[in-house]
Amino acid sequence: NAGVTQTPKFQVLKTGQSMTLQCAQDMNHEYMSWYRQDPGMGLRLIHYSVGAGITDQGEVPNGYNVSRSTTEDFPLRLLSAAPSQTSVYFCASASRGGSTSYEQYFGPGTRLTVT
Amino acid sequence: GESVGLHLPTLSVQEGDNSIINCAYSNSASDYFIWYKQESGKGPQFIIDIRSNMDKRQGQRVTVLLNKTVKHLSLQIAATQPGDSAVYFCAEIYRGSYIPTFGRGTSLIVHP
Repeated sequence: NAGVTQTPKFQVLKTGQSMTLQCAQDMNHEYMSWYRQDPGMGLRLIHYSVGAGITDQGEVPNGYNVSRSTTEDFPLRLLSAAPSQTSVYFCASASRGGSTSYEQYFGPGTRLTVT
Repeated sequence: GESVGLHLPTLSVQEGDNSIINCAYSNSASDYFIWYKQESGKGPQFIIDIRSNMDKRQGQRVTVLLNKTVKHLSLQIAATQPGDSAVYFCAEIYRGSYIPTFGRGTSLIVHP
């Protein structure tokens, strides 16, 4: 299994540009999520999905869109990049195995700079 | 709003010592707690978890303690090694939710 993969690893955008961060998992996990991590901070939830066709907003959703057309893929779209979106973005997938276990795996991250 | 937080942003220990990382949570509706380790340049990695109906859970060199009375969570690392140097996050999952909410993290520095 490749686990959770993210592309690209690094990206520089100009203010106003749009782009899509890709995320894929091969573990057949039902839950997927996007977080952003700023220096000295924890991870803040942007959007999440509990299954194909179902998405919802997290703590900081403004400026981002997501879709979940398949179980495997969960792309994050930046509609019009702003310097405040400079951050490291992590995608994660998870499976809740009944009432006793929870497994969440993170991708390696995408480091985004908006100038 | 209610959130997960940490008492100490940085913890420095000597190799071989035991480390204790603390976390305070305020959401009494959380029923699942997870500790993650994040090494520089990498995504967080699951270490150990605990359900709200448990007080203690042990793994390999790690123990998580949950005190629901004072809403406190701790991660104990035995015989800390230089490879344990990383940022550690606690996270909680609210009852009925499936996505963890993270605290700010504690940086653990292990001196040889």
